[in-house]
Amino acid sequence: AQSVAQPEDQVNVAEGNPLTVKCTYSVSGNPYLFWYVQYPNRGLQFLLKYITGDNLVKGSYGFEAEFNKSQTSFHLKKPSALVSDSALYFCAVRDKGTGFQKLVFGTGTRLLVSP
Amino acid sequence: DGGITQSPKYLFRKEGQNVTLSCEQNLNHDAMYWYRQDPGQGLRLIYYSQIVNDFQKGDIAEGYSVSREKKESFPLTVTSAQKNPTAFYLCASSIDGNTEAFFGQGTRLTVV
Repeated sequence: AQSVAQPEDQVNVAEGNPLTVKCTYSVSGNPYLFWYVQYPNRGLQFLLKYITGDNLVKGSYGFEAEFNKSQTSFHLKKPSALVSDSALYFCAVRDKGTGFQKLVFGTGTRLLVSP
Repeated sequence: DGGITQSPKYLFRKEGQNVTLSCEQNLNHDAMYWYRQDPGQGLRLIYYSQIVNDFQKGDIAEGYSVSREKKESFPLTVTSAQKNPTAFYLCASSIDGNTEAFFGQGTRLTVV
């Protein structure tokens, strides 16, 4: 069964500095990988996905993520953080296979960007 | 304006009552999902539906029931058998079972 680990409950970064939110995954086959962001009392917003192709994926709001198959990681990055990026971030994975594959989420990482 | 609409945003239930959470989508998506969110536990899958008139249990289906009579609608009933129903409930949909999911704004259920 597929699983996702987000090892940091919280990441703190100063505005203007680069940020990284970590994610590792486990699947039996090849993965589809996703990042979502959640603001308080709201649903999840889709940021970006890796399906195939380039290991560096660019998404919404200046975010990007790097797929590393050997390390089974899919870390979320942004070159320059904004205070408005403060939110809860979720990594998710589907196992690439035939038929319906469940979308499994990590426990989330809270990003706090200080002015 | 396309999207997923969940209602109500806040819901209060007395112990022993069943309540139904609404989820409607106009994205023409085949697949729909219900997740439960508790602090520190991420999102856990309750039920999912790949197509109309078909649905499957997720990881925490006990105490919940669903129906999928129309492509646009996937209501979730929280029954009195659910021992700890206070949580934030999220509905989502996707084109199929292999693509990203899009989420509604959630319903916060509180047992009083």
